[in-house]
Amino acid sequence: GAGVSQSPSNKVTEKGKDVELRCDPISGHTALYWYRQSLGQGLEFLIYFQGNSAPDKSGLPSDRFSAERTGGSVSTLTIQRTQQEDSAVYLCASSLSRLAGGSLNEQYFGPGTRLTVT
Amino acid sequence: GNSVTQMEGPVTLSEEAFLTINCTYTATGYPSLFWYVQYPGEGLQLLLKATKADDKGSNKGFEATYRKETTSFHLEKGSVQVSDSAVYFCALSEANTGNQFYFGTGTSLTVIP
Repeated sequence: GAGVSQSPSNKVTEKGKDVELRCDPISGHTALYWYRQSLGQGLEFLIYFQGNSAPDKSGLPSDRFSAERTGGSVSTLTIQRTQQEDSAVYLCASSLSRLAGGSLNEQYFGPGTRLTVT
Repeated sequence: GNSVTQMEGPVTLSEEAFLTINCTYTATGYPSLFWYVQYPGEGLQLLLKATKADDKGSNKGFEATYRKETTSFHLEKGSVQVSDSAVYFCALSEANTGNQFYFGTGTSLTVIP
């Protein structure tokens, strides 16, 4: 079946402009995550959506970053007034919720959006 | 808090060499542990996982054993191939701290013929 898709695959923007990054999770997956991967760095957690619950925004680096998830499916990550330090690959992942018994399902990752702020 | 520390790279090995990539973790409870792999130009994908102490995850000739006593989940493969060249990420997730996944910084592996 179809995996997680992200668009655009590459985005070059000027400093100060706003950008929107889109994620289409796997159909039926209730959990959706956004991460940032900077050059030579690990994965930095940004935000997590689970069903209709309030999102966990604890990883957002500043108030210029926001995300929404419409209808429990597609998600958009918005970065306002972009800065050069925002340049990174932004990854989206989705998963089913916990398995019966409490263990967590694996995450399925999209290919990422490479953002370059000039 | 929760965190993952993995071996610094890059690692370069000859084909058929033995591979170990070290991973240790800190967790407040009983996490599930994962290894993800990112092949060149592709997204991250799950390689293997273990959900409780002493479990061994295995896939594609790779293995990792969940060692609670040493808080480790080292990745091993007996004989690497050129096609194993990728970046490997160790990760944990723990129900007690919500559903966040905590990833290591990744270890780049290059296998030369």
